[in-house]
Parts: sequence; structure tokens; C-alpha cells
Amino acid sequence: AQTVTQSQPEMSVQEAETVTLSCTYDTSESDYYLFWYKQPPSRQMILVIRQEAYKQQNATENRFSVNFQKAAKSFSLKISDSQLGDAAMYFCAYRSALLMTGTASKLTFGTGTRLQVTL
Amino acid sequence: DTEVTQTPKHLVMGMTNKKSLKCEQHMGHRAMYWYKQKAKKPPELMFVYSYEKLSINESVPSRFSPECPNSSLLNLHLHALQPEDSALYLCASSQVPGRSGANVLTFGAGSRLTVL
Repeated sequence: AQTVTQSQPEMSVQEAETVTLSCTYDTSESDYYLFWYKQPPSRQMILVIRQEAYKQQNATENRFSVNFQKAAKSFSLKISDSQLGDAAMYFCAYRSALLMTGTASKLTFGTGTRLQVTL
Repeated sequence: DTEVTQTPKHLVMGMTNKKSLKCEQHMGHRAMYWYKQKAKKPPELMFVYSYEKLSINESVPSRFSPECPNSSLLNLHLHALQPEDSALYLCASSQVPGRSGANVLTFGAGSRLTVL
């Protein structure tokens, strides 16, 4: 079974600064997807960024980027130029790519990191 | 339309009540999910529907009864719940996962359930 570990229960960053959230995972599979989801106080889970394991290039979405180290099974999220609206719970998640056609799949979440953004 | 809509946003019920949570999407997604999330915890998968058929049941107690009447709707029927069932219930949808694409889950804002 796959596991996802987020070792930082809480992080704090000043506005306009950069912060990195860590995530490690354990799997015996070679083909999978990794995600970072954000859950603000409004409760809705919002996709921040995704990474396909077969792609060596790190994914980037505007101020958000990842450092994907497949051999180390590490998938950290870097938030640049932090904004007050970035304050939320961030979940790292794993999904296997080894699926039978027509079968939906499971998303395995880490325990989350609560990010505070200060002025 | 790129949203998953959940109703009601808040629900308070007694242990003998019968109630339902509703989820709707119009993105053409054929996989729909129910997750349960306790405070300060990650979401836990409860059920998955693929092409309107139940494909995953994570050993959820029978007091939770899912229903997928069509490709746009997902219900969660609640009966004889316990106080420990109080939680945020999240619905999500996605394309049915295949080898192409990450088939991202789109989540609703959740229904916060309180069982008295």
C-alpha cells in the first residue's frame, strides 16, 4: 500500500516571501501521479499542482512549483511571493497510474500542512 | 460549468433521523466520489462510482447508503447515524481514470454534518 507523509504540521511565511512544504511518499510502483491540494477555511479542496512520475521536468503553475525527486520519493511544494490568500491547509496526494480501464481510483492523502501567511 | 455543487452546506440531525446529502456536476465526469473528513485530518475515501456503478466501498457502515441515479448526480443517504459520524462530507468527480492524463479530482465545498 502507498503512504504519503507530510512531516510539517504547521508552517508560517511572511507575505512576499518563499516557503517550501515537504512531502515524501512510499510506493513500489513506477508509474503514478502526485498532487498538491489546498483547502482554505471555505473547505473546498482546490488543486494547486500535479506531477506525472514519468516526467522528469518539475511542474510549475505561476507562483507554485514542485521539486520532484523520484529516486528519493520526495515531492515538495514551493510557494513564491506568498500572498494572504495562500493561507490554507495543504495536502500532498498520490494516485497510482496502474489502473484497469473503466475503474475509478483512490487518492491517498498526507496528513496536511497548515500554512499561515503573516504581514 | 467546472463546479461540483453540494447541498446542504450544513446539516444537523438526530440519531433517528433520515436525511440525504446531494452532489451534482455537469462536467461530463463519469467517476464520482464521497469522502469523509474529520477536523484537522485528511479526507478519507468512502465510496467511488464509475459509470454510475459502485466500484469502491471502503467498508463503510450500512447506515451510509450511496446512490448514483444518473451521471450528474450522487446522493448519500443517512440513517441512524452516530455522533462520531459528525464530519465534513466531500463529494468529488473526475474523468474515469485511464493511462492518459492525471484525471484530476474536482471537489465540492462539502456538507458539514452534525449528529446530535
